[in-house]
Amino acid sequence: DQQVKQNSPSLSVQEGRISILNCDYTNSMFDYFLWYKKYPAEGPTFLISISSIKDKNEDGRFTVFLNKSAKHLSLHIVPSQPGDSAVYFCAASRRTIIQGAQKLVFGQGTRLTINP
Amino acid sequence: KAGVTQTPRYLIKTRGQQVTLSCSPISGHRSVSWYQQTPGQGLQFLFEYFSETQRNKGNFPGRFSGRQFSNSRSEMNVSTLELGDSALYLCASSLDGGGEQYFGPGTRLTVT
Repeated sequence: DQQVKQNSPSLSVQEGRISILNCDYTNSMFDYFLWYKKYPAEGPTFLISISSIKDKNEDGRFTVFLNKSAKHLSLHIVPSQPGDSAVYFCAASRRTIIQGAQKLVFGQGTRLTINP
Repeated sequence: KAGVTQTPRYLIKTRGQQVTLSCSPISGHRSVSWYQQTPGQGLQFLFEYFSETQRNKGNFPGRFSGRQFSNSRSEMNVSTLELGDSALYLCASSLDGGGEQYFGPGTRLTVT
């Protein structure tokens, strides 16, 4: 049961343009969402997160949008740069006050290629 | 501040053997989680340790086990290795399990 899905295994974008990566989830109990970037032979690097009480969070060139009714989130990168070429994973969890976050559930990843 | 470190980085084992992987979290982080990454399945959660106790567990067989020491360092053990256990094993640490997790570079395990 794939609770977090990234339906596009790959995406190719021209340098300077906007990259939009999408992620859908099925578990309505998820209330915290994250994006990670992964280069080959390295562990994932945390990029940006959003709590379910918000619908947008920005950090420099990266913006994450959350649509709770559609159970959909997206990561916008603008402008896209060659160094952004990597695999991007979205992840979701349900945080509890007592126990802290439950396990992160990851999507399958989207390979983003930025063309010069 | 040093990042998450994992040892060894690469490992080759044969079927039936057992293996122990090690993870040192970021200083001050008390939660350590383990993940398995394979091309077909993506990142799959194995388990999470917090203050030496397993707090969360994924859907892996009992051959996969772990522990955490008082200094928050963690080890993961896989017994009776199978070919399908070949994967990148990633460890991630966080302050208390909530919020973002910081990943190590992983241990690439190959079972022949």
